[in-house]
Amino acid sequence: DVKVTQSSRYLVKRTGEKVFLECVQDMDHENMFWYRQDPGLGLRLIYFSYDVKMKEKGDIPEGYSVSREKKERFSLILESASTNQTSMYLCASSLGAKNIQYFGAGTRLSVL
Amino acid sequence: LAKTTQPISMDSYEGQEVNITCSHNNIATNDYITWYQQFPSQGPRFIIQGYKTKVTNEVASLFIPADRKSSTLSLPRVSLSDTAVYYCLILTGGGNKLTFGTGTQLKVEL
Repeated sequence: DVKVTQSSRYLVKRTGEKVFLECVQDMDHENMFWYRQDPGLGLRLIYFSYDVKMKEKGDIPEGYSVSREKKERFSLILESASTNQTSMYLCASSLGAKNIQYFGAGTRLSVL
Repeated sequence: LAKTTQPISMDSYEGQEVNITCSHNNIATNDYITWYQQFPSQGPRFIIQGYKTKVTNEVASLFIPADRKSSTLSLPRVSLSDTAVYYCLILTGGGNKLTFGTGTQLKVEL
């Protein structure tokens, strides 16, 4: 079974803090993704990566950056957290062109 | 910009067949249509994937017409545990853009 692990289920941060969300997958998948999910807006792609040290912007990259130093780990960084970044963050990984994505359980981030 | 549309919600009763349609324009050629199920406080979970015509697995069927501008997820004989949000995922914009559908909240009652 593919396992995608997100470091925290719940996180509370203050405005202006630098926030790191970590994601690790154990199936040697090439592709990794970060989404945010908000009520009424569904899942929106923030960033994705098709290889180590590679990153591509998704639909809503503003205010976020990512890091992929190792194949199994994909980090989402909020350089200066703001209240409008309060959301559920979901990490996923996939392999190859069929791109069947396997998701972590999510991190619910609250920025106060 | 490609647009992917699903009904916001659907209601059903146990034992009925449920069909959820996802409409998508500008789908990339040779790319797959994938459906996911999501329960509260969990990440989405893969249900089924197809490219054209019909695909069936142990939990669902997926129907894709020749023009590939829509797809229909069919859940046979739903039960209470099928109450969830269902999303379609497609590749658009020449294959370099992932787009999730808006999601359909399915509620199954006795």
